[in-house]
Order: sequence, then structure tokens, then C-alpha cells
Amino acid sequence: GAVVSQHPSRVICKSGTSVKIECRSLDFQATTMFWYRQFPKKSLMLMATSNEGSKATYEQGVEKDKFLINHASLTLSTLTVTSAHPEDSSFYICSARDRRGGWDTQYFGPGTRLTVL
Amino acid sequence: SQKIEQNSEALNIQEGKTATLTCNYTNYSPAYLQWYRQDPGRGPVFLLLIRENEKEKRKERLKVTFDTTLKQSLFHITASQPADSATYLCALDDDYKLSFGAGTTVTVRA
Repeated sequence: GAVVSQHPSRVICKSGTSVKIECRSLDFQATTMFWYRQFPKKSLMLMATSNEGSKATYEQGVEKDKFLINHASLTLSTLTVTSAHPEDSSFYICSARDRRGGWDTQYFGPGTRLTVL
Repeated sequence: SQKIEQNSEALNIQEGKTATLTCNYTNYSPAYLQWYRQDPGRGPVFLLLIRENEKEKRKERLKVTFDTTLKQSLFHITASQPADSATYLCALDDDYKLSFGAGTTVTVRA
């Protein structure tokens, strides 16, 4: 397998502030990372695809100005939730794409629980 | 895009029994299908990948089958243990990305 870390694991912030979440692939280089959002007892919802050195691709309905993604290196992608509001409270999970075996497998970070007061 | 259905939201079984989970998809058959395990408050963990030309794949007490005619994958946990309690997600390639089912939560009673 492969290891993906995510930081912070939990964050509580006031409404109107911005929060940055980091996703790192620790033992392989990932040109592509993904950001998901998950509500309680629901499946993963893909928010955006993060490509190293280029702009992220956002899924329909996801505000790119709200959720800023930067993939500055082959091991790091960041998601910034700008001007967070209580409805942004959720579990955010990143994953890194691994194609070393010839197949498209994703390794996930442990997730970040965001609570906006 | 693919529509993925996992048979039930929850499955309760007795320790030692076999748990069988179903994953059905609606559109084109993917080149491969994957199964993940997710524990509460954690990210999913990759378990198994099965290719379209493989009928069956095993890993320890886990077995996955892939029937492209039925557009279905079955995921079996044999000799289940309480530690197997988790939510299991199937995922398949959908254009350039993975699409996930809603998951089946398995509870193994001691």
C-alpha cells in the first residue's frame, strides 16, 4: 500500500474565517490527488481533482472560489475553505492516485473534520 | 456517469459466518472494480482490485467476484470477526475518476 497523511485531523473555526487542509503522499509521488466531502452515513462526494502544476478540475456544483486547491508539488495538495460558514461543516478526505501497478488505485488520507461555528 | 448500488445499508452477522455484500452498476463495464473499507471518522482503506477479465480474487479471508454480464461484484468476508465491523465501499472507474457506492455497514456480533 501507500501512505497519505492529512493535516489537521480536526479543526473548529468561526464563521467567516478560512481554513487550510494539507494532504501529503508520504512514500510515492502523486501527480493527481482528489478531494472528497462526506456527510454522515453518506458516500464520498468528489469535489475536485487536483493536478500537480495545473489548475484543479471541479465537479459540477462545487464553487471553485470557495474551495481553493493548490497542488504545488508531487507530494502535497492543499484545500482552503474560504470564508467558511456552518454549512461547510463536514468531513473532508483527500486521496492520492497511484498508477504504479498499471491500475488506478487511490490511497486515502485519514480525513479532516471541519466544524464551523 | 455510472450509477452504483450496494445491496443494503447494513448487514448484521454472527461471528464466524460469511458476510456477502453486493455491488451493482448500471452502465458500461469498467476495466476494474475496487473494494475499500472505511471505519467511522476515518478515510477509506484500499482492500482489493479485480480486473474485468478476472472472475475471482482472494486476499486472506476476503474474496471478490466480478460478473460483467450481471454487472455485479460480490464481496465475501469468510470466518468473520468483530474486527471486520466497518463500512465497505465498492468503487469503479468512471471516466477519469473513481465513483463510489454508498457503502454497506457490516456489524459482526461476537
